[in-house]
Amino acid sequence: GENVGLHLPTLSVQEGDNSIINCAYSNSASDYFIWYKQESGKGPQFIIDIRSNMDKRQGQRVTVLLNKTVKHLSLQIAATQPGDSAVYFCAESSLYNTDKLIFGTGTRLQVFP
Amino acid sequence: DAGITQSPRHKVTETGTPVTLRCHQTENHRYMYWYRQDPGHGLRLIHYSYGVKDTDKGEVSDGYSVSRSKTEDFLLTLESATSSQTSVYFCAISPGQGANQPQHFGDGTRLSIL
Repeated sequence: GENVGLHLPTLSVQEGDNSIINCAYSNSASDYFIWYKQESGKGPQFIIDIRSNMDKRQGQRVTVLLNKTVKHLSLQIAATQPGDSAVYFCAESSLYNTDKLIFGTGTRLQVFP
Repeated sequence: DAGITQSPRHKVTETGTPVTLRCHQTENHRYMYWYRQDPGHGLRLIHYSYGVKDTDKGEVSDGYSVSRSKTEDFLLTLESATSSQTSVYFCAISPGQGANQPQHFGDGTRLSIL
């Protein structure tokens, strides 16, 4: 929604550069992680997911890295484009509650020409 | 996009009136969810359903009720709307089946309670 980004941390990058968006989690039992992209006025859109038995997964122009030791997740976007401008959320679920997701508050990515 | 339709997309109403939001899916997914999204908060789960007539509460369920009489429809009702329920409401669906699966979202309903 339009008001989602009012209090969010913002990452500003130049078109063509790589972007790295970070997310920390606290639950040691978290074993499934998702990144979502949300454009103004739209619902969150699934980008990529990763399970805890992996530490890296690649998609088209995106890579998710998982560091379970420090409970840290990152989303890397290669050759960032203006269309990548949006709010990005991480979400997690645990071994004991596989049907519910816990969402982070998000990071706004702004891409400058 | 996943086949999820939320209606209405926008609604303005007065405090104390009942409000029902509808989520319709064409994916035949077992799980359906209602979230609210407010500035400074991540998406917060209101209620969810794991099958027809099977529902459970989320973290912010007070003041809300839900019903699921068919696989494709999940209704969220505010029995007596309050200004604190002004928000953007999102429906999500997931195949579930016990394995971790991503949820897919509709485009939201913007609800204003005056």
